[in-house]
Amino acid sequence: GENVEQHPSTLSVQEGDSAVIKCTYSDSASNYFPWYKQELGKGPQLIIDIRSNVGEKKDQRIAVTLNKTAKHFSLHITETQPEDSAVYFCAASKGAGNMLTFGGGTRLMVKP
Amino acid sequence: GAVVSQHPSRVICKSGTSVKIECRSLDFQATTMFWYRQFPKQSLMLMATSNEGSKATYEQGVEKDKFLINHASLTLSTLTVTSAHPEDSSFYICSARDSAGGASDTQYFGPGTRLTVL
Repeated sequence: GENVEQHPSTLSVQEGDSAVIKCTYSDSASNYFPWYKQELGKGPQLIIDIRSNVGEKKDQRIAVTLNKTAKHFSLHITETQPEDSAVYFCAASKGAGNMLTFGGGTRLMVKP
Repeated sequence: GAVVSQHPSRVICKSGTSVKIECRSLDFQATTMFWYRQFPKQSLMLMATSNEGSKATYEQGVEKDKFLINHASLTLSTLTVTSAHPEDSSFYICSARDSAGGASDTQYFGPGTRLTVL
């Protein structure tokens, strides 16, 4: 089955700096890659996703890149703010109706 | 849009009792809902896939007789933890997949239910 590795497990940045979280996946048939933000005691919130027919997607301060050949995708957060502090999960699936396989999560801490 | 609710948000029960958790898609129809379990500082582990009008599909190692899932309508799925024990204490999260439109692979998560079994 699919296996998703996520790095780093913890990331501390200064407010205003950029943060990058990387994930690799094993199943070349995966074609949908969402990113979720989870705050303490809450459910995951979808922040951005990308499908395999696209190499990059951006939404304000958040961007995701996908390299299908290398089977890895990354989350980029620019101009980080303290409210960006949370746990971020990447995931992969084979598309509609299929389960998501999650990475291990990255705890991002943005220091004011 | 795409709001998923869970009820209750927190439950404390005695060992041996059963607990029912509801998951509702508020503004869309969901033929498929998923139930996850999350231990502290760990990732989400899929327990089962719930399909409207049919039996749930359980992941390996998840006891279907202990974790009963019912998906009776396009907006409601329930998870019942039967004869709960302290080791069942965890954060249970559901997600729902929007059945309509081109982005049918997107899953929206509920806020989670914290279960504590004494």
